[in-house]
Amino acid sequence: TQLLEQSPQFLSIQEGENLTVYCNSSSVFSSLQWYRQEPGEGPVLLVTVVTGGEVKKLKRLTFQFGDARKDSSLHITAAQPGDTGLYLCAGAGSSNTGKLIFGQGTTLQVKP
Amino acid sequence: GAVVSQHPSWVICKSGTSVKIECRSLDFQATTMFWYRQFPKQSLMLMATSNEGSKATYEQGVEKDKFLINHASLTLSTLTVTSAHPEDSSFYICSIMEGSGDQPQHFGDGTRLSIL
Repeated sequence: TQLLEQSPQFLSIQEGENLTVYCNSSSVFSSLQWYRQEPGEGPVLLVTVVTGGEVKKLKRLTFQFGDARKDSSLHITAAQPGDTGLYLCAGAGSSNTGKLIFGQGTTLQVKP
Repeated sequence: GAVVSQHPSWVICKSGTSVKIECRSLDFQATTMFWYRQFPKQSLMLMATSNEGSKATYEQGVEKDKFLINHASLTLSTLTVTSAHPEDSSFYICSIMEGSGDQPQHFGDGTRLSIL
């Protein structure tokens, strides 16, 4: 069974601080996606990483896919209160069924 | 990306009632849709894969007679929570898969179900 361990699960920081969220697995994923979800809404896709070692940037967010495609990280620089939300990593499994395996999620609170 | 509409967004009903939730793909013909359940401040838990024109595939531990899924057209899947009880109260979210297995999913805005 493929599992994704996401950490930390809760993070409360001051505006302007940097943070990193990690997703780790012992399994290889063909791709990994990061989503952000606000209360009462569905997750919104931030990025998909496909190639081992890939780094993608989205403004102040930097996403990295591990060389072995077993882990990924999300780094936010100079966090803003608008970054507050639930961040989810999700891996596409090996079965090609389209099913996503989700990490436990990271609830981020950025205080002004 | 594809647009997914989920309805209703919020429903409150009495215990024993059956509740139907609709998930519509507005601009894409989706042969596969997914239904998730989410508890507060937790991640999404996949309940079932909805396949157009065939039976849904349920994840282990999900009662198929309790959570009926119908995917009669390429743009609509429905989830019916039968004889709902307070423990069924949760946030239910659907998604569609655009393309092959490596493509991201597009999510609806969810339905908050509260059973009194």
